[in-house]
Amino acid sequence: KAGVTQTPRYLIKTRGQQVTLSCSPISGHRSVSWYQQTPGQGLQFLFEYFSETQRNKGNFPGRFSGRQFSNSRSEMNVSTLELGDSALYLCASSLDGGPTDTQYFGPGTRLTVL
Amino acid sequence: AQSVAQPEDQVNVAEGNPLTVKCTYSVSGNPYLFWYVQYPNRGLQFLLKYITGDNLVKGSYGFEAEFNKSQTSFHLKKPSALVSDSALYFCAVRGRNDYKLSFGAGTTVTVRA
Repeated sequence: KAGVTQTPRYLIKTRGQQVTLSCSPISGHRSVSWYQQTPGQGLQFLFEYFSETQRNKGNFPGRFSGRQFSNSRSEMNVSTLELGDSALYLCASSLDGGPTDTQYFGPGTRLTVL
Repeated sequence: AQSVAQPEDQVNVAEGNPLTVKCTYSVSGNPYLFWYVQYPNRGLQFLLKYITGDNLVKGSYGFEAEFNKSQTSFHLKKPSALVSDSALYFCAVRGRNDYKLSFGAGTTVTVRA
């Protein structure tokens, strides 16, 4: 079974631009979560989607948004990029996102904001 | 709110020696605990989890972890470390009604030949 895939793997943007990252979950998984990983803040939860609905959201500004499609694929968007948005963005999928459910991570998208 | 502490930024061991990576947690109610490993420029790989039952959990690649409720700890162990175990290890916790994983800061493990 194919794992979680994320595209693109690398992105370079400039301040003020916007970016869209894509995540395809493991087949049959309906929950998709997004995390931001930085050297200073570590792994921080962005949001979680299940059946096209955002169920939970982390403490990030409104510039960070996401959505999920009917096939469970998910996208996240960051508008008006800032230097501090440079990070590895990780997507994780699980069957139903419940508390005992295992999240499986993709390889991440490395975003660099210049 | 739940939280995880990994008290050691780095752990260095010789190949063939036992490896332990420490983790303590704080959560309301029963915890659900996870260990992940991250290799350079890669995502996180799931190693094992504790949900309920036996306090000793066995996972992938010869790793195991021991849940200790009284000490609120979930230490990761491997009896005989390999050079290929050198990586960044994360402990994570969820509470009963949580969708998100709360991660520790990570521990860098270096296994020398």
